[in-house]
Amino acid sequence: NAGVTQTPKFQVLKTGQSMTLQCAQDMNHNSMYWYRQDPGMGLRLIYYSASEGTTDKGEVPNGYNVSRLNKREFSLRLESAAPSQTSVYFCASSMTETKYNSPLHFGNGTRLTVT
Amino acid sequence: QQQVKQSPQSLIVQKGGISIINCAYENTAFDYFPWYQQFPGKGPALLIAIRPDVSEKKEGRFTISFNKSAKQFSLHIMDSQPGDSATYFCAASTSGSARQLTFGSGTQLTVLP
Repeated sequence: NAGVTQTPKFQVLKTGQSMTLQCAQDMNHNSMYWYRQDPGMGLRLIYYSASEGTTDKGEVPNGYNVSRLNKREFSLRLESAAPSQTSVYFCASSMTETKYNSPLHFGNGTRLTVT
Repeated sequence: QQQVKQSPQSLIVQKGGISIINCAYENTAFDYFPWYQQFPGKGPALLIAIRPDVSEKKEGRFTISFNKSAKQFSLHIMDSQPGDSATYFCAASTSGSARQLTFGSGTQLTVLP
């Protein structure tokens, strides 16, 4: 049982390049999320998808777009990468978005460096 | 964005000692307080969570203490082990909403053998 799988694990981009981070979950969860983790700042929500077919902005959405491809997959796209987007990106999923006993399950992250 | 303030930033404890990590919040509407544990190279994983109808919750060596009047909650790790060395994040949300989770800045715990 793989849980939440993220690809790639590492990526280096030059300023202005674009890329898509992929995420897939095999737990039949309805809700999926993208976070970024920066030193001393905890985890900040970029975008989330409460259910298949819906997406909404989180705390720090600027410079990103998302696609909920199907129930399993939720991708994050950087259209024109900037050095400020250097971070570790985590995808997560939960059974629902609004239930106490519905914890987040995280992938192992993508470490992105933008030069 | 409501903040959750976590301290200390880093903590070093001897094997067998007690590790204590503290968090404080301002938003009195928060009603769900989980702690996540993250090992190097891995994503965070839920460790233990509490709701404000109880003042303490214990799971094995891990205990959350909650002080509603002071708007503070803390994680206690009893008999700390080297395998507990990880980064710990507190978080808070309203109505159990995952999208509304506000995370603390994290505490890097090192347990010396």
